[in-house]
Amino acid sequence: EAQVTQNPRYLITVTGKKLTVTCSQNMNHEYMSWYRQDPGLGLRQIYYSMNVEVTDKGDVPEGYKVSRKEKRNFPLILESPSPNQTSLYFCASRWDWNTEAFFGQGTRLTVV
Amino acid sequence: DQQVKQNSPSLSVQEGRISILNCDYTNSMFDYFLWYKKYPAEGPTFLISISSIKDKNEDGRFTVFLNKSAKHLSLHIVPSQPGDSAVYFCAASANSKLTFGKGITLSVRP
Repeated sequence: EAQVTQNPRYLITVTGKKLTVTCSQNMNHEYMSWYRQDPGLGLRQIYYSMNVEVTDKGDVPEGYKVSRKEKRNFPLILESPSPNQTSLYFCASRWDWNTEAFFGQGTRLTVV
Repeated sequence: DQQVKQNSPSLSVQEGRISILNCDYTNSMFDYFLWYKKYPAEGPTFLISISSIKDKNEDGRFTVFLNKSAKHLSLHIVPSQPGDSAVYFCAASANSKLTFGKGITLSVRP
């Protein structure tokens, strides 16, 4: 089954404790992205990647890092999480610029 | 500055009637537009898309209209069903980047 898989689905952590949210897709897609969803703000792009080893900042990249060492994986790294990074995070992948993006189920992150 | 705008936060319609969801954009470089539907506790799911070289695309009960000169697109759902109640996001693509609006909550009353 074609899918985008994120882990974990839920995470509660403390300020400053490094964490990684994993994302994997099995569709051989070139493009992958991370978004965060906040009330009243919709989906805002954090980082995106056009291919292996090619990444670029989205609209809200501060406090986040990503890597794309393999085509199927695109982890999101929070080196020192802060409470304002409490949010619902989505990973997405797509074949090309003019195709639809497939989303993961989301990761609900709470930073206390 | 928000490049994709969904100015109405919510819409309520009667079952069987038409739902019209609107979206405006500011970036002339956008050349591919999409609509997504999202239920609580799930990821957004793709609904319908349209290329900038077209002005209409239809898929069953869903039709998307694009007015490039006005930088406006709309999603029509006919007839609306209670199962259509969800948050709808408009999205626009330019090069590698996919930008979303804030979403609109559609409620379809039985």
